[in-house]
Amino acid sequence: DSGVTQTPKHLITATGQRVTLRCSPRSGDLSVYWYQQSLDQGLQFLIQYYNGEERAKGNILERFSAQQFPDLHSELNLSSLELGDSALYFCASSGGQEETQYFGPGTRLLVL
Amino acid sequence: ELKVEQNPLFLSMQEGKNYTIYCNYSTTSDRLYWYRQDPGKSLESLFVLLSNGAVKQEGRLMASLDTKARLSTLHITAAVHDLSATYFCAVERTYKYIFGTGTRLKVLA
Repeated sequence: DSGVTQTPKHLITATGQRVTLRCSPRSGDLSVYWYQQSLDQGLQFLIQYYNGEERAKGNILERFSAQQFPDLHSELNLSSLELGDSALYFCASSGGQEETQYFGPGTRLLVL
Repeated sequence: ELKVEQNPLFLSMQEGKNYTIYCNYSTTSDRLYWYRQDPGKSLESLFVLLSNGAVKQEGRLMASLDTKARLSTLHITAAVHDLSATYFCAVERTYKYIFGTGTRLKVLA
Protein backbone atom coordinates (compact mmCIF):
# COMPACT_ATOMS: atom_id res chain seq x y z
CA ASP A 1 0.00 0.00 0.00
CA SER A 2 1.59 3.24 -1.22
CA GLY A 3 -0.57 5.50 0.92
CA VAL A 4 -2.05 7.18 -2.16
CA THR A 5 -5.76 6.60 -2.62
CA GLN A 6 -7.81 6.98 -5.77
CA THR A 7 -11.53 6.82 -6.33
CA PRO A 8 -13.38 5.34 -8.04
CA LYS A 9 -11.57 2.11 -8.92
CA HIS A 10 -13.62 1.55 -12.02
CA LEU A 11 -15.74 3.85 -14.12
CA ILE A 12 -17.91 3.01 -17.10
CA THR A 13 -19.48 5.86 -19.00
CA ALA A 14 -20.64 6.89 -22.46
CA THR A 15 -19.07 9.07 -25.12
CA GLY A 16 -19.69 12.75 -24.61
CA GLN A 17 -19.98 12.45 -20.85
CA ARG A 18 -17.89 14.05 -18.13
CA VAL A 19 -16.24 12.30 -15.19
CA THR A 20 -14.16 13.30 -12.18
CA LEU A 21 -11.36 11.20 -10.78
CA ARG A 22 -10.16 11.83 -7.26
CA CYS A 23 -6.78 11.38 -5.61
CA SER A 24 -5.60 11.73 -2.03
CA PRO A 25 -1.82 11.93 -1.71
CA ARG A 26 0.32 10.42 1.02
CA SER A 27 0.28 12.37 4.22
CA GLY A 28 2.70 15.28 3.95
CA ASP A 29 3.33 15.03 0.21
CA LEU A 30 2.87 18.34 -1.55
CA SER A 31 3.22 17.15 -5.14
CA VAL A 32 0.54 15.32 -7.05
CA TYR A 33 0.92 13.88 -10.52
CA TRP A 34 -1.57 12.45 -12.99
CA TYR A 35 -0.72 9.82 -15.59
CA GLN A 36 -2.62 7.93 -18.25
CA GLN A 37 -1.76 4.36 -19.25
CA SER A 38 -3.20 2.81 -22.38
CA LEU A 39 -2.17 -0.02 -24.64
CA ASP A 40 -1.59 2.15 -27.68
CA GLN A 41 0.05 5.17 -26.03
CA GLY A 42 1.80 3.62 -23.07
CA LEU A 43 2.37 5.67 -19.94
CA GLN A 44 1.90 9.39 -20.40
CA PHE A 45 2.43 12.21 -17.96
CA LEU A 46 -0.57 14.52 -17.85
CA ILE A 47 0.00 17.17 -15.21
CA GLN A 48 1.70 17.96 -11.91
CA TYR A 49 0.58 20.14 -9.02
CA TYR A 50 2.71 21.35 -6.17
CA ASN A 51 1.05 22.71 -3.06
CA GLY A 52 -2.03 23.81 -4.94
CA GLU A 53 -0.30 25.31 -7.95
CA GLU A 54 0.14 23.81 -11.39
CA ARG A 55 3.82 23.01 -11.87
CA ALA A 56 4.01 21.26 -15.24
CA LYS A 57 1.78 20.08 -18.03
CA GLY A 58 2.44 17.09 -20.20
CA ASN A 59 0.27 15.54 -22.87
CA ILE A 60 -2.99 16.64 -21.35
CA LEU A 61 -5.84 17.27 -23.74
CA GLU A 62 -7.80 20.51 -23.58
CA ARG A 63 -10.88 18.46 -22.67
CA PHE A 64 -9.09 17.42 -19.48
CA SER A 65 -8.46 19.63 -16.49
CA ALA A 66 -7.17 19.14 -12.99
CA GLN A 67 -6.82 20.96 -9.73
CA GLN A 68 -5.29 20.51 -6.32
CA PHE A 69 -7.25 21.70 -3.34
CA PRO A 70 -6.02 23.32 -0.10
CA ASP A 71 -6.16 19.94 1.68
CA LEU A 72 -3.83 18.69 -1.12
CA HIS A 73 -6.21 16.21 -2.64
CA SER A 74 -6.54 16.46 -6.39
CA GLU A 75 -9.20 15.90 -9.01
CA LEU A 76 -8.85 15.15 -12.70
CA ASN A 77 -11.84 16.15 -14.79
CA LEU A 78 -12.35 14.51 -18.16
CA SER A 79 -15.06 15.93 -20.41
CA SER A 80 -16.56 15.25 -23.84
CA LEU A 81 -15.27 11.74 -23.45
CA GLU A 82 -14.23 9.74 -26.49
CA LEU A 83 -13.65 6.03 -26.93
CA GLY A 84 -9.91 6.66 -27.02
CA ASP A 85 -9.98 8.08 -23.50
CA SER A 86 -10.51 4.59 -22.15
CA ALA A 87 -7.40 3.93 -20.08
CA LEU A 88 -5.97 3.51 -16.62
CA TYR A 89 -5.47 6.82 -14.86
CA PHE A 90 -2.89 6.91 -12.11
CA CYS A 91 -2.26 9.51 -9.53
CA ALA A 92 1.08 9.72 -7.72
CA SER A 93 2.44 11.87 -4.95
CA SER A 94 5.90 12.79 -3.79
CA GLY A 95 7.82 14.72 -1.20
CA GLY A 96 11.43 15.07 -0.23
CA GLN A 97 14.52 15.88 -2.22
CA GLU A 98 14.61 12.80 -4.43
CA GLU A 99 10.99 13.19 -5.40
CA THR A 100 10.30 9.46 -5.29
CA GLN A 101 6.79 9.07 -6.64
CA TYR A 102 4.28 6.81 -4.92
CA PHE A 103 1.51 5.66 -7.18
CA GLY A 104 -2.10 5.07 -6.30
CA PRO A 105 -3.97 1.94 -7.41
CA GLY A 106 -5.45 3.71 -10.45
CA THR A 107 -8.89 4.34 -11.89
CA ARG A 108 -9.86 2.19 -14.85
CA LEU A 109 -12.04 4.22 -17.20
CA LEU A 110 -14.07 2.59 -19.92
CA VAL A 111 -15.87 4.83 -22.40
CA LEU A 112 -18.55 3.07 -24.41
CA GLU B 1 11.97 16.96 -27.72
CA LEU B 2 12.81 14.43 -25.06
CA LYS B 3 12.54 10.83 -26.24
CA VAL B 4 13.15 7.69 -24.22
CA GLU B 5 14.01 4.34 -25.73
CA GLN B 6 13.98 1.21 -23.67
CA ASN B 7 15.18 -2.21 -24.72
CA PRO B 8 14.58 -4.99 -24.94
CA LEU B 9 10.79 -4.90 -25.06
CA PHE B 10 10.53 -8.52 -23.98
CA LEU B 11 12.96 -10.57 -21.99
CA SER B 12 12.63 -14.20 -21.10
CA MET B 13 15.38 -15.50 -18.89
CA GLN B 14 16.25 -18.49 -16.82
CA GLU B 15 16.38 -18.33 -13.07
CA GLY B 16 19.87 -17.68 -11.81
CA LYS B 17 20.99 -15.77 -14.91
CA ASN B 18 22.04 -12.13 -15.17
CA TYR B 19 20.71 -9.60 -17.60
CA THR B 20 20.55 -5.86 -18.27
CA ILE B 21 17.74 -3.57 -19.40
CA TYR B 22 18.78 -0.40 -21.20
CA CYS B 23 17.20 3.04 -21.17
CA ASN B 24 18.47 5.65 -23.63
CA TYR B 25 17.22 9.22 -23.73
CA SER B 26 17.70 12.01 -26.21
CA THR B 27 18.41 15.19 -24.22
CA THR B 28 19.72 16.24 -20.83
CA SER B 29 17.61 15.21 -17.88
CA ASP B 30 17.13 16.15 -14.25
CA ARG B 31 16.17 12.74 -12.83
CA LEU B 32 15.82 9.21 -14.06
CA TYR B 33 13.38 6.76 -12.52
CA TRP B 34 12.93 3.01 -12.64
CA TYR B 35 9.56 1.44 -11.88
CA ARG B 36 8.14 -2.02 -11.66
CA GLN B 37 4.58 -2.91 -12.65
CA ASP B 38 2.96 -6.28 -11.99
CA PRO B 39 0.06 -7.32 -14.26
CA GLY B 40 -3.11 -5.43 -13.39
CA LYS B 41 -1.33 -3.45 -10.69
CA SER B 42 0.02 0.01 -10.15
CA LEU B 43 3.60 1.20 -10.49
CA GLU B 44 6.14 0.70 -7.75
CA SER B 45 9.13 2.99 -7.55
CA LEU B 46 12.46 1.14 -7.61
CA PHE B 47 15.13 3.80 -8.01
CA VAL B 48 15.61 7.53 -8.52
CA LEU B 49 18.94 8.48 -10.08
CA LEU B 50 20.00 12.08 -9.83
CA SER B 51 23.54 12.51 -11.05
CA ASN B 52 26.16 11.15 -13.39
CA GLY B 53 27.71 7.96 -12.13
CA ALA B 54 24.89 7.31 -9.68
CA VAL B 55 24.49 3.66 -8.78
CA LYS B 56 21.78 2.23 -6.57
CA GLN B 57 21.14 -1.33 -5.54
CA GLU B 58 18.23 -3.10 -3.95
CA GLY B 59 18.37 -6.86 -3.65
CA ARG B 60 19.01 -8.39 -7.07
CA LEU B 61 18.45 -5.11 -8.93
CA MET B 62 21.07 -2.47 -9.59
CA ALA B 63 20.52 0.74 -11.51
CA SER B 64 23.14 3.09 -12.88
CA LEU B 65 23.17 6.38 -14.73
CA ASP B 66 25.62 7.75 -17.30
CA THR B 67 24.43 11.25 -18.15
CA LYS B 68 27.15 11.79 -20.73
CA ALA B 69 26.01 8.77 -22.71
CA ARG B 70 22.37 9.52 -21.81
CA LEU B 71 22.02 5.94 -20.71
CA SER B 72 20.68 4.17 -17.66
CA THR B 73 20.85 0.46 -17.04
CA LEU B 74 18.90 -1.84 -14.77
CA HIS B 75 20.95 -4.92 -14.05
CA ILE B 76 19.34 -8.08 -12.76
CA THR B 77 21.57 -10.49 -10.88
CA ALA B 78 20.70 -14.18 -10.44
CA ALA B 79 17.10 -13.70 -11.49
CA VAL B 80 14.28 -15.32 -9.55
CA HIS B 81 10.68 -15.89 -10.58
CA ASP B 82 9.43 -13.09 -8.30
CA LEU B 83 11.19 -10.56 -10.52
CA SER B 84 8.79 -11.30 -13.37
CA ALA B 85 7.07 -7.99 -14.13
CA THR B 86 7.21 -5.06 -16.53
CA TYR B 87 9.96 -2.54 -15.84
CA PHE B 88 9.75 1.08 -16.95
CA CYS B 89 12.32 3.82 -17.00
CA ALA B 90 11.17 7.44 -16.97
CA VAL B 91 13.15 10.60 -17.54
CA GLU B 92 12.28 13.91 -16.00
CA ARG B 93 13.20 17.27 -17.46
CA THR B 94 11.83 20.49 -15.98
CA TYR B 95 9.14 18.60 -14.12
CA LYS B 96 7.87 16.78 -17.24
CA TYR B 97 8.13 13.02 -17.40
CA ILE B 98 8.63 10.75 -20.40
CA PHE B 99 8.37 6.99 -19.99
CA GLY B 100 10.04 4.24 -21.90
CA THR B 101 7.88 1.59 -23.55
CA GLY B 102 8.61 -0.89 -20.78
CA THR B 103 10.42 -4.22 -20.68
CA ARG B 104 8.29 -7.25 -19.97
CA LEU B 105 10.47 -9.63 -18.02
CA LYS B 106 9.60 -13.27 -17.56
CA VAL B 107 11.84 -15.40 -15.38
CA LEU B 108 11.53 -19.09 -16.10
CA ALA B 109 12.12 -21.72 -13.46
